Amino acid sequence: KQEVTQIPAALSVPEGENLVLNCSFTDSAIYNLQWFRQDPGKGLTSLLLIQSSQREQTSGRLNASLDKSSGRSTLYIAASQPGDSATYLCAVRRSQEYNTDKLIFGTGTRLQVFP
Amino acid sequence: DVKVTQSSRYLVKRTGEKVFLECVQDMDHENMFWYRQDPGLGLRLIYFSYDVKMKEKGDIPEGYSVSREKKERFSLILESASTNQTSMYLCASSPGGTGGLGSEAFFGQGTRLTVV
Repeated sequence: KQEVTQIPAALSVPEGENLVLNCSFTDSAIYNLQWFRQDPGKGLTSLLLIQSSQREQTSGRLNASLDKSSGRSTLYIAASQPGDSATYLCAVRRSQEYNTDKLIFGTGTRLQVFP
Repeated sequence: DVKVTQSSRYLVKRTGEKVFLECVQDMDHENMFWYRQDPGLGLRLIYFSYDVKMKEKGDIPEGYSVSREKKERFSLILESASTNQTSMYLCASSPGGTGGLGSEAFFGQGTRLTVV
């Protein structure tokens, strides 16, 4: 059974720091991996999607990498800002079958960036 | 932009009531999902649907049912609400089908349900 773990569970940093959030998964046979952001009491916002054939994806100050063989992904946030404070979730998709196409989530990293 | 809309942000219901949570997406997505999110347990899949009138059980379907009569709408039904169903409920959709396989999933804003 696929298990997804995120470390650390919580992180508090001063503004301007570069950050690395970690996501690991037990079964390397994934189809893709998606990073989300969740603000308190809100839904999830998609940040980046990495296909299994890709090594990384970038969007603005965010960079996500994927190493399937070791079962790891990292989300790099450059020059962090207070507005980046949120919970960050990773999710993997195992299946290549359209009728079992579902995500398995990690428990998230709660990030606080203080001024 | 893809939009996934949940009918309510907050709901308070009494034990034993039948509760309907509605979700609508506007991008003609094949797949739709219902998750619940609880502190320390993360997101857990309740049910998903990959086509109209098709449904598959997720990890925690007990006490829930779903309905998908139209492609854009996916309803979660609590047949007889109980206090242990107090939670944040999140709906999601993704393109699915053979053409959109593995594409991004998009989430609604969530419904905070309290059962008293």
